[in-house]
Amino acid sequence: AQSVTQPDIHITVSEGASLELRCNYSYGATPYLFWYVQSPGQGLQLLLKYFSGDTLVQGIKGFEAEFKRSQSSFNLRKPSVHWSDAAEYFCAVGGELGSSASKIIFGSGTRLSIRP
Amino acid sequence: GAVVSQHPSWVICKSGTSVKIECRSLDFQATTMFWYRQFPKQSLMLMATSNEGSKATYEQGVEKDKFLINHASLTLSTLTVTSAHPEDSSFYICSARDHRGFHEQYFGPGTRLTVT
Repeated sequence: AQSVTQPDIHITVSEGASLELRCNYSYGATPYLFWYVQSPGQGLQLLLKYFSGDTLVQGIKGFEAEFKRSQSSFNLRKPSVHWSDAAEYFCAVGGELGSSASKIIFGSGTRLSIRP
Repeated sequence: GAVVSQHPSWVICKSGTSVKIECRSLDFQATTMFWYRQFPKQSLMLMATSNEGSKATYEQGVEKDKFLINHASLTLSTLTVTSAHPEDSSFYICSARDHRGFHEQYFGPGTRLTVT
């Protein structure tokens, strides 16, 4: 079965500073990887996803993530954060479609706060 | 495109009563829908996977007789919380996967359930 670890529960960065949120996954085959963002009391918005191909993935709102198979990681980055980026960020992993692992499993989340 | 709605967005019910939550895919057909539960400041925990026309598959520890899931059509899945207790109070989120086999799941905005 697949699993996801987000080691940072809460991160605070200054507005305009760069950001990196860590995500490590466990899955025996090539994973399908996602980053979602959730604002308080809201549903989930997909930031980006990796299925195959280029390991550097561009997403919405200026976010990008890099898939590193050797490190089982899929860290999320943004060069310059804005106050509106304050939210909860979830990394998620899914397995092969049609398999018992095709469901998407979420990490525990990282809460991002922005310092003015 | 790829919009998922949930109804109601929030509901308050008394202990012992049942409450039904609807999840609809508005502009695509969803062979598979998922139900998640999220406690305050925690991650999404997958409760069950429902496939149109067949019984739902529940995750370990989820009471199938308490959380009844019906996926009667390619655009509608319902979650009924039976004999609700205050500990069932939570944020329930559904997601839907496009029937064409794409791996991405589209999430609804969530339903806040409060049991008094």
